[in-house]
Amino acid sequence: AQKVTQAQTEISVVEKEDVTLDCVYETRDTTYYLFWYKQPPSGELVFLIRRNSFDEQNEISGRYSWNFQKSTSSFNFTITASQVVDSAVYFCALSEALTNAGKSTFGDGTTLTVKP
Amino acid sequence: DTGVSQDPRHKITKRGQNVTFRCDPISEHNRLYWYRQTLGQGPEFLTYFQNEAQLEKSRLLSDRFSAERPKGSFSTLEIQRTEQGDSAMYLCASSRDYPRADTQYFGPGTRLTVL
Repeated sequence: AQKVTQAQTEISVVEKEDVTLDCVYETRDTTYYLFWYKQPPSGELVFLIRRNSFDEQNEISGRYSWNFQKSTSSFNFTITASQVVDSAVYFCALSEALTNAGKSTFGDGTTLTVKP
Repeated sequence: DTGVSQDPRHKITKRGQNVTFRCDPISEHNRLYWYRQTLGQGPEFLTYFQNEAQLEKSRLLSDRFSAERPKGSFSTLEIQRTEQGDSAMYLCASSRDYPRADTQYFGPGTRLTVL
């Protein structure tokens, strides 16, 4: 069965600090996809990134970066120089391409608060 | 470019009543998903459609829940004889059907409150 664990329930930082959100996953599939979504106070889930299990290259997009390590089954998300607008709940999700194609399993989210 | 839309955004009902929610996916997306999210939790998968075919249903989807996607476009989720435990945010998402686990784009959700 697939499982996603986000051990950090809440994180609070001061603006301009860097912050890393952890995500650990479990799957039996060899082909799978990992996602990060942002859920601001308005409630709508906003897609941030998608990685497949064959691509372990780290990715950077502006202030966001992602570190995917299959050896530790982790897909961590770092925000550099955080801003107040980054305050939201962040979800990590996993989709197995073979066993449960399309169905996503989400972690319980990490609530990030960035204080001015 | 129109995203996923859901209607209504909020629904308050009394226990025992039936409710129906609608989801309109992104037009070129073949797959449509329903999730339920309660406070402090991540979205939980309920069911999904490939065109008009319902391919998978979660154990969470009791026999009081039914979903349809009659023409492979919009979908409805009906809850019969609502219970207080049904109070949650109901999220709809859509995706292409290739690759097999393509990115799901979510609508704004319907927040259900059962009194």
